[in-house]
Amino acid sequence: AQKVTQAQTEISVVEKEDVTLDCVYETRDTTYYLFWYKQPPSGELVFLIRRNSFDEQNEISGRYSWNFQKSTSSFNFTITASQVVDSAVYFCALGPRSNDYKLSFGAGTTVTVRA
Amino acid sequence: DAGITQSPRHKVTETGTPVTLRCHQTENHRYMYWYRQDPGHGLRLIHYSYGVKDTDKGEVSDGYSVSRSKTEDFLLTLESATSSQTSVYFCAISEGGRESQPQHFGDGTRLSIL
Repeated sequence: AQKVTQAQTEISVVEKEDVTLDCVYETRDTTYYLFWYKQPPSGELVFLIRRNSFDEQNEISGRYSWNFQKSTSSFNFTITASQVVDSAVYFCALGPRSNDYKLSFGAGTTVTVRA
Repeated sequence: DAGITQSPRHKVTETGTPVTLRCHQTENHRYMYWYRQDPGHGLRLIHYSYGVKDTDKGEVSDGYSVSRSKTEDFLLTLESATSSQTSVYFCAISEGGRESQPQHFGDGTRLSIL
């Protein structure tokens, strides 16, 4: 069984603050993939990042960064210097290769950035 | 943007009626998925397909059926809609492969069952 937990339901910050979204996962697979998706108020789902279980290097893309720690089964996402356009629901997902690439999603974290 | 079109985008119907949602892709991807999105649950997989006429159940498949007669089309059918199936439905596609390529999503269908 696989499970993704996003314990934070909602986060509200003021523009330019940093915000970190937590993602904790459970899986018995030794090879798996982790993903983050963004769902802005317009409703579409936008792929942000994929990370495989063999690569524990942190990754930075502009104001976005991801911290993967296999020892604690966490794949956290930080937005630095948040902007109003970052307001969205963010989903963490887990996809073991052994499962026809089916994804298990967390419940999502709603981020509101206030001007 | 991935070439995924969902139709209809919005639908209101009555309990007990059949409903079919269509997902059309222009990427020639092997894998296609149907999810539903409900508050507090994130996205949950309903059914998926790994090729023409090859489909399998997801975690919330009861009350739904699917068909894939062509690579580009994946249909989701509610044989007799119930109010609990009111939701936003997303189709996704993926190349699959060894590196588990990410899934890309359509814009969703908002379905209301009265």
